[in-house]
Amino acid sequence: KQEVTQIPAALSVPEGENLVLNCSFTDSAIYNLQWFRQDPGKGLTSLLLIQSSQREQTSGRLNASLDKSSGRSTLYIAASQPGDSATYLCAVWGISYQAGTALIFGKGTTLSVSS
Amino acid sequence: EADIYQTPRYLVIGTGKKITLECSQTMGHDKMYWYQQDPGMELHLIHYSYGVNSTEKGDLSSESTVSRIRTEHFPLTLESARPSHTSQYLCASSEFRGTEAFFGQGTRLTVV
Repeated sequence: KQEVTQIPAALSVPEGENLVLNCSFTDSAIYNLQWFRQDPGKGLTSLLLIQSSQREQTSGRLNASLDKSSGRSTLYIAASQPGDSATYLCAVWGISYQAGTALIFGKGTTLSVSS
Repeated sequence: EADIYQTPRYLVIGTGKKITLECSQTMGHDKMYWYQQDPGMELHLIHYSYGVNSTEKGDLSSESTVSRIRTEHFPLTLESARPSHTSQYLCASSEFRGTEAFFGQGTRLTVV
């Protein structure tokens, strides 16, 4: 069954730093990979969706890459700001029903950006 | 911004009460999902629906039930709430299986 792992679990950086969040998954047969942001006590906001045929997607200061064969994705955040402080979740949608019937999530990386 | 809404946002209720968590979307999506999230833990799928009158249990066992009488509405019901049901419940929808998913703001349930 699909498993998603996110490293690191927590990250603290000063404002202005560029940073990378990592996501790995065990079953490479996926439809897509989606990155979300979750603020404390809130729902999930979709940040980027990478289709299985794509290598990367960009939105503003965010860039997500996908290496399906190695089961890895990275989320790059440029010039971090205090408003970026949140938990970032990676999720994959497996092609096989045995891998899961919907999005499978990692536990997330909690990011804290200090001013 | 995604057009998917959950009510209530917060609920504190006594043991044994029946509760219904509401979820509605205005995007016309056939696929809808309920996830449960405990603090510091990953989201787990508890129910999903691929269309009207279609509901299935998810990967995580749950004592809740769901219904899908209208495309836009996917309520979750607990017949008799217990403290072990205390958690955050998140509703989501997607146009097709494997396409971008959109989430509501969640309902934080506390059973005392």
